Amino acid sequence: QKEVEQDPGPLSVPEGAIVSLNCTYSNSAFQYFMWYRQYSRKGPELLMYTYSSGNKEDGRFTAQVDKSSKYISLFIRDSQPSDSATYLCAMAIQGAQKLVFGQGTRLTINP
Amino acid sequence: GAGVSQSPRYKVAKRGQDVALRCDPISGHVSLFWYQQALGQGPEFLTYFQNEAQLDKSGLPSDRFFAERPEGSVSTLKIQRTQQEDSAVYLCASSGGHHSNQPQHFGDGTRLSIL
Repeated sequence: QKEVEQDPGPLSVPEGAIVSLNCTYSNSAFQYFMWYRQYSRKGPELLMYTYSSGNKEDGRFTAQVDKSSKYISLFIRDSQPSDSATYLCAMAIQGAQKLVFGQGTRLTINP
Repeated sequence: GAGVSQSPRYKVAKRGQDVALRCDPISGHVSLFWYQQALGQGPEFLTYFQNEAQLDKSGLPSDRFFAERPEGSVSTLKIQRTQQEDSAVYLCASSGGHHSNQPQHFGDGTRLSIL
């Protein structure tokens, strides 16, 4: 079993919908949680960076961390076709440098 | 530069050849990372440098993989005697500061194909 589990999709939703992306993890030592967006043939682009539990909002994006359930989420409001990409969750242990990634969820927003 | 730069963007090699992949991190970034991304998968950690010191190489899959960062800026990932299973996208990331857990910023990767 992988340390970080993420449904690979694909996920297809109409423009304007609210999108929910999720990851679960098994290592309770993870303290830092990130969401990256990756367009085809591009590198991952950092969207959200959170520490420990709670919510963080940035424009149309909201990241949630529930450490008691070992579950993190990314919500995208008013989704746009330009949001079509693969979304990767990533995590790190306090003091450790390496990121542990989920498999990525492929998202398509249909006009 | 404005972002992490990797070269070449694409590399095709025959099985058994040696390859060298280059990474130019964001100017002033102390930490540099290499990841390997197989098709349809998330990136997997290979190795980490703080300045010129390689502090973690636990993710390198075999002794055919070697990374260096001799002057604490540009880094090279070398793969000797390439095998077909080495085909993947190799991503470089950098982060600023000496503190751990700084956000990592990625380049667009080198897509390596071994024939």
